Amino acid sequence: EVQLVESGGGLVQPGGSLRLSCSASGFTFSSFAMHWVRQAPGKGLEYVSVIGSTGGSTYYADSLKGRFTISRDNSKNTLYLQMTSLRTDDTAVYYCVKPASYSSSLLEIWGQGTTVTVSS
Amino acid sequence: QLVLTQSPSASASLGASVKLTCTLSSGHSNYAIAWHRQQPEKGPRYLMKVNSDASHIRGDGIPDRFSGSSSGAERYLTISRLQSEDEADYYCQTWGGGIVVFGGGTRLTVL
Repeated sequence: EVQLVESGGGLVQPGGSLRLSCSASGFTFSSFAMHWVRQAPGKGLEYVSVIGSTGGSTYYADSLKGRFTISRDNSKNTLYLQMTSLRTDDTAVYYCVKPASYSSSLLEIWGQGTTVTVSS
Repeated sequence: QLVLTQSPSASASLGASVKLTCTLSSGHSNYAIAWHRQQPEKGPRYLMKVNSDASHIRGDGIPDRFSGSSSGAERYLTISRLQSEDEADYYCQTWGGGIVVFGGGTRLTVL
């Protein structure tokens, strides 16, 4: 069974940093690009970032460039999201998502999410 | 610019059918989309892929009460025999050129 388990969320002050992790199992992690999507309280889904299967290519939503860094460790089947200079509007549930195939970004398997709260 | 447009809300009666719409922006009418459902206090779940030729492929474990279709730039999700558990937010999603886009979501109320 494919599973994605996020961790690392919590309460952080504005300007602070946090690293999210997503532990993957049940599939060949190193063969798939992986994505992060977030959802602010009471809002819709917002795309955050993607990383290629080898980690060699990345993409970020324009509003996040320079503050967030996506990475992966294929030896540990783990995806990361390093978040810096956090703002109150970064408060959201962050989801790790696996696509349906190697070659598309049809998002198929969602983790349960980890909550990030940015507040003083 | 690749944009998906959804109506903010919809409602239908228990046991009835409802058709939700997702509209692709101009110039993108050949794109496939995915539908995702998010029940209250839960994470999203993938429902199906809908292609421009109106074919659709349901995700694992998704019952055949859920079907997809398309016409031009519109992609549809039809839910038959509505159940209380279908009361949820429904998001469409597409991708292309390295980007992923979500619609704003439709909140479905089952009366």
